[in-house]
Amino acid sequence: DAGITQSPRHKVTETGTPVTLRCHQTENHRYMYWYRQDPGHGLRLIHYSYGVKDTDKGEVSDGYSVSRSKTEDFLLTLESATSSQTSVYFCATSSAGQVSHEQFFGPGTRLTVL
Amino acid sequence: DQQVKQNSPSLSVQEGRISILNCDYTNSMFDYFLWYKKYPAEGPTFLISISSIKDKNEDGRFTVFLNKSAKHLSLHIVPSQPGDSAVYFCAASSNSGYALNFGKGTSLLVTP
Repeated sequence: DAGITQSPRHKVTETGTPVTLRCHQTENHRYMYWYRQDPGHGLRLIHYSYGVKDTDKGEVSDGYSVSRSKTEDFLLTLESATSSQTSVYFCATSSAGQVSHEQFFGPGTRLTVL
Repeated sequence: DQQVKQNSPSLSVQEGRISILNCDYTNSMFDYFLWYKKYPAEGPTFLISISSIKDKNEDGRFTVFLNKSAKHLSLHIVPSQPGDSAVYFCAASSNSGYALNFGKGTSLLVTP
C-alpha cells in the first residue's frame, strides 16, 4: 500500500463552479497521475506529473488543470465544472525505476456535477 | 481508440473452479501488462504483471499468460473463491510513456 489519500472522498457541486481535488502520498514516489473512471470506459488518464512542477497532459485533459508544488501533493482542478465531468477520480503514484510499471492507486473521489 | 480491450463485461464462475479473464491489445509497443482488481468504492489494487519477453507469470492462485503473436493475454484464477468477486482491469504500458492504458474491465462473480 503506497499510502495515498484523496480528499474529498465525495463532492456534489453545480455546473460552472471551480472544484479542486487533492491527492497526498507518503511514499516519496516521483510520478503521480490522475485518472477518471466512467462506465464503459475503464480508467482514462487526465494528467500526470513526473516531478515537482513537471506535469503533462493525458488522454482526456480538456477542462482540467493540475499542479504539483511538493512531491507529496498533486492537485486536480476543474476550472468550471460541467456535467460531463461527473465521474470517479483516482490518483495514482509510481516510483522511478519501477520495472513492472506498477502504479498504486488511492481510494477515489466521487464527483457529481449537477 | 481503445488499445486494450476486455470484451467480456462480466463472468460468473462457481467457487473452486477456474476463472479465465481475457484481454486483447493492439499496440505492439507495449512491454508490460498488468492486472488490477477493484472492489466497489475502493481504488484498483495491483494483482500481477508480465513482461513482454515472457509468456507466463504465476503468483499463487493467479497466473497470467501472454501470447504476443495474437496480442492476447489472460488471467487464470485457480481455484476461484467468493472473495475474488470484483472488477478486473487489464492494463498495458510501454517504456515510451508513463500512462497505463486500461481495458474497460470484467466483473467477476464467484458463486458458492
